[in-house]
Parts: sequence; C-alpha cells; structure tokens
Amino acid sequence: DAGVIQSPRHEVTEMGQEVTLRCKPISGHDYLFWYRQTMMRGLELLIYFNNNVPIDDSGMPEDRFSAKMPNASFSTLKIQPSEPRDSAVYFCASSSTGRGDTQYFGPGTRLTVL
Amino acid sequence: AQSVTQPDIHITVSEGASLELRCNYSYGATPYLFWYVQSPGQGLQLLLKYFSGDTLVQGIKGFEAEFKRSQSSFNLRKPSVHWSDAAEYFCAASGTGRRALTFGSGTRLQVQP
Repeated sequence: DAGVIQSPRHEVTEMGQEVTLRCKPISGHDYLFWYRQTMMRGLELLIYFNNNVPIDDSGMPEDRFSAKMPNASFSTLKIQPSEPRDSAVYFCASSSTGRGDTQYFGPGTRLTVL
Repeated sequence: AQSVTQPDIHITVSEGASLELRCNYSYGATPYLFWYVQSPGQGLQLLLKYFSGDTLVQGIKGFEAEFKRSQSSFNLRKPSVHWSDAAEYFCAASGTGRRALTFGSGTRLQVQP
C-alpha cells in the first residue's frame, strides 16, 4: 500500500503569497487530519474530516487558513495570505474506523515564509 | 481539558542500556494511547498503541509500553537501546468521540556509543 502522500515536500514563499499544501490519504481511509508542528507549540491539530466532511476545525488559526476535501482521495490546506509565523511542518494523516483508529502520517511539508 | 505530558524533554542513554520514556495523560475516560517516533526530517511512525485489554503492549523495533490506569501513565520501554533508536518520541492520545490526536511535547533521545 502506498502511504499518505503530501506535496510539496518543501515550500519557500514570501509573506503575502498564497500557499497550497496537498494530501492524498491512504485508499479506503475515511478520516483525514491536518497537523502542524512548530518548535514553540509542538504538534497540534488544525482540522479533520470524516467522509470528506469537516468535523473539527477548532485548531485552524484564523481566517487565513482554509481546508477542503473535495473527494475521498484528495485534500488541500490553503494559507492566504501567508505570514512568517506560519512557517512550520504541516503533516497530513489518515485513518480508518475499521483499523483501530491508528493514524498514518505523511512525510510532511516544510513551509518557510520569508 | 485533555492533555498529554511528557516530562522529559531530552534523555541520553548509552548503547545497550535500558530505556524508559514517561507519558502521563489527563482525559475524562480512558483514551486510546499511542507512541510515535520521528527521525530528523521525517514523518511520524507508529511504534505501538493501546486500546483495551492487556495493559502491556508490544510494538515494533523491540519497544513495549505499559498502561497504568491508577497512575494515568503509558510509559515506553526498551531493554537494550541501539544507536539507530536516536530520535524524538511522541506520546499521543485520542478519545472515543474526538478522533484527533493530542500529542505530548516529545522526548528527544540521544544514544551514546
């Protein structure tokens, strides 16, 4: 099985630019999660979906962040406009109710906003 | 509020020595508990998990963890550490209702030759 796929792996952009991160979950998984990792705050949930529907977006920092899941095999996390404090590693993870809730993580996207 | 605490930020052990990484949780009910490992520049790999039943769970790479309800703890152990175990280790928990993981702050393991 292919694991969770994220793109790009690295993104460097300038403040004010739009950034789009992409995720392909493991086939057959019905949950998709976006996490952010920073030195200051550690690993924290941004948003998660079940069957393509957002369930909990309480971790989304502000209106500059948005996430979509148009179908079961694709999700995006968009930041517009980006700010230097958004610099972090963004992880996507997926899980299946039928496999004991274990979340499988992608390799992450390292975002640097200059 | 739900929380996971890893009291040790950094641990150094000698290769071949035993290892115990501590994890405490605060949840309304017994959560699902996990240990993940992250090597530099990599994603998170699941080492083991506890859902119910036997309180001693075995994982990959020779790791095990013991769930102790009375102490709200889920400590990770390995009898003999290898240099390749040097990494950051995260304890995490989720509830039966809210599926998202709550992570501890991580413990960085350094292995001395």
